[in-house]
Amino acid sequence: GENVEQHPSTLSVQEGDSAVIKCTYSDSASNYFPWYKQELGKRPQLIIDIRSNVGEKKDQRIAVTLNKTAKHFSLHITETQPEDSAVYFCAATPLGNAGNMLTFGGGTRLMVKP
Amino acid sequence: NAGVTQTPKFRILKIGQSMTLQCTQDMNHNYMYWYRQDPGMGLKLIYYSVGAGITDKGEVPNGYNVSRSTTEDFPLRLELAAPSQTSVYFCASSQTSGGGNEQFFGPGTRLTVL
Repeated sequence: GENVEQHPSTLSVQEGDSAVIKCTYSDSASNYFPWYKQELGKRPQLIIDIRSNVGEKKDQRIAVTLNKTAKHFSLHITETQPEDSAVYFCAATPLGNAGNMLTFGGGTRLMVKP
Repeated sequence: NAGVTQTPKFRILKIGQSMTLQCTQDMNHNYMYWYRQDPGMGLKLIYYSVGAGITDKGEVPNGYNVSRSTTEDFPLRLELAAPSQTSVYFCASSQTSGGGNEQFFGPGTRLTVL
């Protein structure tokens, strides 16, 4: 089955700096890579996703890049703000399989210091 | 739309007791999922369903059972609760096709087994 590893497990940045979180996956059939943000005590919520036919996707201050050859993808947050502080999870799945089950990485706790 | 709702929000069980965690979605999604999230960890898939009457095991199914008699409801049953089942349980749902692959999560149920 799929295995997703995520690094770093914790990341502390100064407000205004950029943050980068990296994930690697093992199943070459995976073709959908979402990122979820989970604030303390809350539910995970999708912030951005990318499919394997695209190398990069951007939405305001967040962007995701995908390298299918190397089987890794990354989340980039620019101009970080205190409200970006949360746990971020990457995930992967081969879309089209029954259930579209996501395999999640272990999470990155991002702390943005004012 | 209420989205995905879960009850109860919190529960304390004694070892050996049983309980059912309720999950309901009003988005007419065919796919539904149950995850557990241990403190400081990622999400592990317990069971999933691709439609009414169809369920299958995920990564960590031992000690749990599910049923799916309607599109809206996907209850999770814990039999003979053990301390290892202390966790936060999230239910999620998603569309099967049409470009929407986002999994929408419920608010979670925090379960403690003593």
